[in-house]
Amino acid sequence: QQKVQQSPESLIVPEGGMASLNCTFSDRNSQYFWWYRQHSGEGPKALMSIFSNGDKKEGRFTAHLNKASLHVSLHIKDSQPSDSALYFCAVRRQGGRALIFGTGTTVSVSP
Amino acid sequence: EAAVTQSPRSKVAVTGGKVTLSCHQTNNHDYMYWYRQDTGHGLRLIHYSYVADSTEKGDIPDGYKASRPSQENFSLILELASLSQTAVYFCASSAGGRSQNTLYFGAGTRLSVL
Repeated sequence: QQKVQQSPESLIVPEGGMASLNCTFSDRNSQYFWWYRQHSGEGPKALMSIFSNGDKKEGRFTAHLNKASLHVSLHIKDSQPSDSALYFCAVRRQGGRALIFGTGTTVSVSP
Repeated sequence: EAAVTQSPRSKVAVTGGKVTLSCHQTNNHDYMYWYRQDTGHGLRLIHYSYVADSTEKGDIPDGYKASRPSQENFSLILELASLSQTAVYFCASSAGGRSQNTLYFGAGTRLSVL
């Protein structure tokens, strides 16, 4: 069964600083990856997707994918208090369109 | 943005009772999903559906049934609720075809089984 592991479990970042989140996946055939963000009391919302090896930048957020090392990461530049949330990485489930999610990283941005 | 509405937003149920969680989407999406969220486990897939009148088992289907009577509506049914089913439940939808298949989630239903 496909598995997704995230690290760290939690992270404290000073306002204006850089947050780095990591995710490793178990299936070498995985091809499609997402990062989701969930604020307290809300449902998860997609931040960005990445399907090719390398970097993908959207505003202050940069995702990096390395399929050979089974690793995907998310970097948040110039962190803001509104970035305080639970972040999930997700990979498309083999043979379908559902996603398998990691256990999440809680990011707290301190003013 | 995609609109997925869940009801109720919270519910208290008794052990052994029947619980139905409802989900309605207005995005014209073919795919719908039910996930549960527990601290330390992230989001886990319970059931999903690709088309009306058909459902599939996800990774943790035991103790749950699903129903998709129309493209817009997807329900999760707990016939005999148990304490271990206390969790937050999320419904999601996604487009079919050659889309990226980003999932759009509702706001969740917090279920407490006593």
